[in-house]
Amino acid sequence: QLQLQESGPGLVKPSETLSLTCTVSGGSISSSSYYWGWIRQPPGKGLEWIGSIYYSGSTYYNPSLKSRVTISVDTSKNQFSLKLSSVTAADTAVYYCARLRWELLSWFDPWGQGTLVTVSS
Amino acid sequence: EIVLTQSPATLSLSPGERATLSCGASQSVSSSYLAWYQQKPGLAPRLLIYDASSRATGIPDRFSGSGSGTDFTLTISRLEPEDFAVYYCQQYGSSPTFGQGTRLEIK
Repeated sequence: QLQLQESGPGLVKPSETLSLTCTVSGGSISSSSYYWGWIRQPPGKGLEWIGSIYYSGSTYYNPSLKSRVTISVDTSKNQFSLKLSSVTAADTAVYYCARLRWELLSWFDPWGQGTLVTVSS
Repeated sequence: EIVLTQSPATLSLSPGERATLSCGASQSVSSSYLAWYQQKPGLAPRLLIYDASSRATGIPDRFSGSGSGTDFTLTISRLEPEDFAVYYCQQYGSSPTFGQGTRLEIK
């Protein structure tokens, strides 16, 4: 059964870069032709797609975040990562990683359990 | 960007009743590329429906989805106690966006 697990610092200072990693288990990130993505949810609010990556490294970002986001993949570690630069309090959220299907236009399933990142000095 | 508007914001019903949740899109969603998720407190969203009407693996048949174009509906035929949660729609016909959610609460 495929499982995803987010990891990274739970507290980031304003103006710094948020860095998270998603580790995939129960399957290879590169053996199946899937896309992988990041979604976030501010406390008590709705969901926002951040971006997606193909196992080959091709990326696709939310236009509203594109200038600050970098998503990368490390197939040797079965991981993909998120970097969000110049963070503010508005970036405080639970960050989820998830798998898409074999094409970019896709639903998200399964999801990781999520990790709360707080932006504060 | 396609904006999704869910209604109602909150729906109060009793177990055994039928729930109808709506999701309206600001422009037509191509190929009925619309999904529904259920989220319980402290947990990640769970996929219920994809392609507007296809149930995800393991989802009970009391959950059904319908619609096309700009109007979509999630129906829960007979509410079970575990169905009370927040529900989100998501379109993937273009850059993915989510609705703001409908909270289904026990009356």
